[in-house]
Amino acid sequence: GENVEQHPSTLSVQEGDSAVIKCTYSDSASNYFPWYKQELGKRPQLIIDIRSNVGEKKDQRIAVTLNKTAKHFSLHITETQPEDSAVYFCAANTGGFKTIFGAGTRLFVKA
Amino acid sequence: DGGITQSPKYLFRKEGQNVTLSCEQNLNHDAMYWYRQDPGQGLRLIYYSQIVNDFQKGDIAEGYSVSREKKESFPLTVTSAQKNPTAFYLCASSVGIVDTEAFFGQGTRLTVV
Repeated sequence: GENVEQHPSTLSVQEGDSAVIKCTYSDSASNYFPWYKQELGKRPQLIIDIRSNVGEKKDQRIAVTLNKTAKHFSLHITETQPEDSAVYFCAANTGGFKTIFGAGTRLFVKA
Repeated sequence: DGGITQSPKYLFRKEGQNVTLSCEQNLNHDAMYWYRQDPGQGLRLIYYSQIVNDFQKGDIAEGYSVSREKKESFPLTVTSAQKNPTAFYLCASSVGIVDTEAFFGQGTRLTVV
């Protein structure tokens, strides 16, 4: 069935370093890939998304890349700050109602 | 910080009892969803609804039921048939059916005692 794998499950970086989270998806019909950030005790919130007709998208310190051939997409956070510490979820949507989420990556940014 | 509201935030239930989790949105969104969040397993879809009076099972619908009598409301009932109901439940809504952001509620933590 449809599946999204996310790695790593836990990531610890020093403040100012970069963090990269990688996801792979199984359904080649997937065409929308959002990333959500969930801070401790709070709701997930969209931080960036990318559609299948784009290979890369950037928003300040956050960027997402998509390789449709390999069915990979990644989140890149540069110049990490303590407030970036959270759980990050990738997801893939085939254009219908079904969005498949990855298992999440817990990011720790050490000051 | 509004738009989609879940209540209560914490809920305790005795084994064998049904319990209903509330989800209300004032975003005028057609689509609404219920997810279950367990540690290390991401978000798993329980039910979703595209429009009033219509809803579909997600990946883990067994032991759950929903209704969609109003556009604004999508309550989830956790029945006694759900074998492992203790979890964090998230409700979400989206404006349309294609490539749209999901807006999440604050979640309800259900504990079976």
